Amino acid sequence: AQKITQTQPGMFVQEKEAVTLDCTYDTSDQSYGLFWYKQPSSGEMIFLIYQGSYDEQNATEGRYSLNFQKARKSANLVISASQLGDSAMYFCAMREKTTSYDKVIFGPGTSLSVIP
Amino acid sequence: KAGVTQTPRYLIKTRGQQVTLSCSPISGHRSVSWYQQTPGQGLQFLFEYFSETQRNKGNFPGRFSGRQFSNSRSEMNVSTLELGDSALYLCASSLERSQGWGYTFGSGTRLTVV
Repeated sequence: AQKITQTQPGMFVQEKEAVTLDCTYDTSDQSYGLFWYKQPSSGEMIFLIYQGSYDEQNATEGRYSLNFQKARKSANLVISASQLGDSAMYFCAMREKTTSYDKVIFGPGTSLSVIP
Repeated sequence: KAGVTQTPRYLIKTRGQQVTLSCSPISGHRSVSWYQQTPGQGLQFLFEYFSETQRNKGNFPGRFSGRQFSNSRSEMNVSTLELGDSALYLCASSLERSQGWGYTFGSGTRLTVV
């Protein structure tokens, strides 16, 4: 069964500092996609970054980068130069897509607070 | 382009009633998935629809049902509401051929059962 683990329920970071949010996953599939989403208090899930299981390079999107270590089944999110607007819940997710179904499962989330 | 639209944004219902939530996907997206988010259980997968067919279903009781129309718009229905059904219900749409960032969420419907 698929499983996503985020071991940090809450994190604090000083404004302008970098922060790493941990994510480990468990799957027996060879083809899968890993995502990070941000959920501010408004409730909307905002896509941040995607990493395919066959991608050899770590994904980057602006201030976000994904530290993908396939052998360790780890997909940590790194946010550089934190901003006050980064305060939110962050969810790691994994997508398994076959010809018969398409499903995404989410981790429990990490609450990030950016301190001025 | 327009994003995923969920209506209504907020809803208050009484125990025992039924409710219907609506989701309009991004134009061209044919896959629609529904999730329930609660503080205790986190984000849980409800079901996924593609071309008007339910392709995948999560572990929820039969009171939770859904459907998808020919224009890819989807509705989910919860009958005989219970207090524990209070949650944020999120809808996501995606391109059929995309496994990547084509998976886009709406703003959600916050349901409160009293």
